[in-house]
Amino acid sequence: GQSLEQPSEVTAVEGAIVQINCTYQTSGFYGLSWYQQHDGGAPTFLSYNGLDGLEETGRFSSFLSRSDSYGYLLLQELQMKDSASYFCPGGYSTLTFGKGTMLLVSP
Amino acid sequence: DGGITQSPKYLFRKEGQNVTLSCEQNLNHDAMYWYRQDPGQGLRLIYYSQIVNDFQKGDIAEGYSVSREKKESFPLTVTSAQKNPTAFYLCASSIAGTGANVLTFGAGSRLTVL
Repeated sequence: GQSLEQPSEVTAVEGAIVQINCTYQTSGFYGLSWYQQHDGGAPTFLSYNGLDGLEETGRFSSFLSRSDSYGYLLLQELQMKDSASYFCPGGYSTLTFGKGTMLLVSP
Repeated sequence: DGGITQSPKYLFRKEGQNVTLSCEQNLNHDAMYWYRQDPGQGLRLIYYSQIVNDFQKGDIAEGYSVSREKKESFPLTVTSAQKNPTAFYLCASSIAGTGANVLTFGAGSRLTVL
């Protein structure tokens, strides 16, 4: 089976850097993805780590360590619009989503 | 522009009625998925299909049914057997295999049982 753990809520201020951690226990694991979901909206894909290391996409970076069953999403230069829920699903032919982390960015 | 279209956006149902949620994609993706999301919760997989005329149950398939007669379409029927159907329903698609890590979602359908 698969399980994923993330903090339920993270708060930060505009312009700061925040890291959202994700630990997992899964069989048949083929990488870790990150999705953003604004309140009332649909999830949107942010990044995917199929191999160990860091992937950078603009203000967002994602990291994976398969030996530690651990990953994180790093958000830099936080903006108010980054307030959303963030999910780190994993899997192969289907993705298992945890409850996600709600990020609250304040002025 | 390519994408996924879900309809209706909002739907109200009386207890005991079946309802069908539409999902159409023009991304030429082989795989399609239905997820359910309850307030403050993550997404739970209802059904998925990796090829036309074939589909598999997800984690919470009871009370739901699907069909995949065309590559572009994957409708979900919420039957009267689903005891607590009020939720936000999300359809997604992807290329098959490890491509499942990159899902494109529709805007969702919000079902309320009166």
